[in-house]
Amino acid sequence: EPEVTQTPSHQVTQMGQEVILRCVPISNHLYFYWYRQILGQKVEFLVSFYNNEISEKSEIFDDQFSVERPDGSNFTLKIRSTKLEDSAMYFCASSEFRGAGAGELFFGEGSRLTVL
Amino acid sequence: AQTVTQSQPEMSVQEAETVTLSCTYDTSENNYYLFWYKQPPSRQMILVIRQEAYKQQNATENRFSVNFQKAAKSFSLKISDSQLGDTAMYFCAFMKPSSGNTPLVFGKGTRLSVIA
Repeated sequence: EPEVTQTPSHQVTQMGQEVILRCVPISNHLYFYWYRQILGQKVEFLVSFYNNEISEKSEIFDDQFSVERPDGSNFTLKIRSTKLEDSAMYFCASSEFRGAGAGELFFGEGSRLTVL
Repeated sequence: AQTVTQSQPEMSVQEAETVTLSCTYDTSENNYYLFWYKQPPSRQMILVIRQEAYKQQNATENRFSVNFQKAAKSFSLKISDSQLGDTAMYFCAFMKPSSGNTPLVFGKGTRLSVIA
């Protein structure tokens, strides 16, 4: 069964360093998302992406964050200069449809980011 | 803004018994969608069940059913004949209808342990 894959599963970085989290969505999906979950907190929406541009983003997704789909298969989240509060589990998701049908998101296993 | 509250951080149930997970939400929307996602240990989040707010009939998927009380803004998940494989984190989520990539709003989750 097709699934969303994420790498790395865990990354430890120093504050101020750049981090790139990678995701391979399901191949026929057109809508892509990043969510994150700080330990003990809610899963929070970061950004959605369609047709090579950002569709919607949350307040969390500031200038330190960027997304791109560089080669038609990978979907990456870049954090330019990491802060301690960026430590979280980052989930990539994709969906075939948008709107109500987009409620069925297919999630990856997550990338745990630890900022020291 | 919409909020989703799951008041039970952890629950346990004996195998073959029935358990109900609670979820309440706050919204001014009349039409919307509600979801329960399941995240087994070290695995992806997967959609368990979906409910459209305009439908009065409660959604059912095999052993999983919901009790949707629109006036009370309550959306509980009932798991019948619990199995060891049901052990997971369960997230309640809300989405307002849109033609775009409307994000899911998640609760904090309930960790369910099924005991043999």
